[in-house]
Amino acid sequence: QVQLVQSGAEVKKPGASVRISCKASGYTFTAYHAYWVRQAPGQGLEWVGGVNPNNGVTHYTQKFQGRVTMTTDTSINTAYMELSTLRSDDTAMYYCTRVLRLLKDPFDLWGHGTMVTVSS
Amino acid sequence: EIVLTQSPGTLSLSPGERATLSCRASQTISSNYLAWYQQKPGQAPRLLISGASSRATGIPDRFSGSGSGTDFTLTISRLEPEDFAVYYCQQYGTSPLTFGGGTKVEIK
Repeated sequence: QVQLVQSGAEVKKPGASVRISCKASGYTFTAYHAYWVRQAPGQGLEWVGGVNPNNGVTHYTQKFQGRVTMTTDTSINTAYMELSTLRSDDTAMYYCTRVLRLLKDPFDLWGHGTMVTVSS
Repeated sequence: EIVLTQSPGTLSLSPGERATLSCRASQTISSNYLAWYQQKPGQAPRLLISGASSRATGIPDRFSGSGSGTDFTLTISRLEPEDFAVYYCQQYGTSPLTFGGGTKVEIK
């Protein structure tokens, strides 16, 4: 079964970091880029960035540069997103997705999402 | 960055009616790399349309996409009960990848 399974919900304090995982199954993990999209409560979708599992090359939106790190472990078909220096406005559902070709293909498979709550 | 503006914000229709959703870009979208996604409450988005007009695998043919350049449309020919949801357009040809603000299709 082709799917992306994400780690569970997280509650963090302002200033802390969070690491979310996304395990792929049912397809060749290294054939697709792993991308991340977030959605604040009641709001729209926002692209965060992505990583190429073949070479670790990352592609972050400028807004998150310096605070986000995306990596993969191809031995266990898993992608990770770490977001540091958390603020209350980072409270959101974080989705992992996949993209076949960077800047040519859409997000054709989505994980179920990981809720990150930032609160003191 | 390419800004996508979706209209209307909310569309109130009855089952069986036709829905027409608009997505307008602030600049020409490269190679018509525009997608539409459907999101139901508590669920992840689902890809409906890519390349402005190509249905994704398993998407019913009542969903169709059209347009080019800066103006794109998603049409649902006859609304089924399961189609009431929020729809987002996205351009994926130019970094940063951007989404529209969404159109909610609600039951009238």
